[in-house]
Order: sequence, then structure tokens, then C-alpha cells
Amino acid sequence: EADIYQTPRYLVIGTGKKITLECSQTMGHDKMYWYQQDPGMELHLIHYSYGVNSTEKGDLSSESTVSRIRTEHFPLTLESARPSHTSQYLCASSVGANVLTFGAGSRLTVL
Amino acid sequence: AQSVSQHNHHVILSEAASLELGCNYSYGGTVNLFWYVQYPGQHLQLLLKYFSGDPLVKGIKGFEAEFIKSKFSFNLRKPSVQWSDTAEYFCAVNLGTYKYIFGTGTRLKVLA
Repeated sequence: EADIYQTPRYLVIGTGKKITLECSQTMGHDKMYWYQQDPGMELHLIHYSYGVNSTEKGDLSSESTVSRIRTEHFPLTLESARPSHTSQYLCASSVGANVLTFGAGSRLTVL
Repeated sequence: AQSVSQHNHHVILSEAASLELGCNYSYGGTVNLFWYVQYPGQHLQLLLKYFSGDPLVKGIKGFEAEFIKSKFSFNLRKPSVQWSDTAEYFCAVNLGTYKYIFGTGTRLKVLA
């Protein structure tokens, strides 16, 4: 059972809507990540955080933003969703350069 | 650029068959190596990892992997697969700090 929780698990919304994907972990991990996963593709890092008030963009350019106000919470926000944002978003956490613990994912569909 | 290659995208085996999934990475420095598994409808979870020491590592559910530094490989093996091993398997490399690179995954289907 994962100790990292993502909501919503599934979301279907219209173009132009603002959405926030929630991610929380109960393990006290310092590092948190957001990955984008599409079928048949590798996971692409879109954001990461080393700790509170630390956020960085990953290797894959994304129009989303993140915040890390509390250690356990790392939400991802899209101000204006577009069909190109349709994907699965995975949140993960780790201690140092160690094992990633993943959430169940949020599958976003933008119509 | 650093990358991870998984050569088999789809594998279909009968129960009790042996499994070997290839994984090669391109990076000349020190790496930490992982295999993650995603069972249908479940989250990605760790299968096994290699940081240092014995290059043959054992993971959960009878899986093992061998790190061959000279070949930049970290192949996953299981002597006898079960129907419950049906899943998608991802090889990943950590280059230190935040940088993890994942392969494209291998979908394994085991026929009962």
C-alpha cells in the first residue's frame, strides 16, 4: 500500500479550466516529484522539490506549476487546461537519491 | 544524452517459462539502478535495486537482476513466471540527486 496519495484519480474537464492535482505523503520524505506518463513512453519529470519552499522544473517542459509549503504536500496546478495536457500524472517522493515511492496517479483528460 | 533502453516492449510467456528483460543505460558515471513494476490498476512499486556491492541482486517475488558494468546493463530475470507476474516493468537509473531516467517499459503477459 502506497504512503503517497493522489487525488483525483480520474478527471475529465473542458478546455480552459483550472485544475489542481493533489499529492500528499506521510513518510516525511524531503524530495518530491511530478512525472508525466503516457502509454509506451518513459516517465518524464516535470517538477521536483528538495524540500519546503524549494521547487524546480524538470526535464520536460510543462505549463503546470507546483508549490511546496508543507513537507507532506506537493500540489500541481494547471491554470488553463488544454487537450495537450491529457496524460497521467504521477507523484513520487524519496529520501535522498534513493528509492522512489509513487502514488497511484491522476489520469487527466481535457476535452 | 543519458538514456535507458528496454529492448522488449511486449513479452508474452506461458506460466513456468523463464523471463529475462533487457535494460541498458547510457551514462559513464556512478549510477543507482532500479526495476519498478506496475500491476494492472496499481501504482508503480519497487521490484529491486542496486546501489553497490554484489552485482546480482534479489528482489521481491523471486525476481533478480544482474548489473554488468562493462555492458551498462541491468537485466531482470525470473526462472519461472506466474500468471500474477502480468504487469508492466520499468528499468530506471538514478544519476544522483533528483535525476532518475526511466525506460519505456515492458508489458509482460503471462498466460495461465
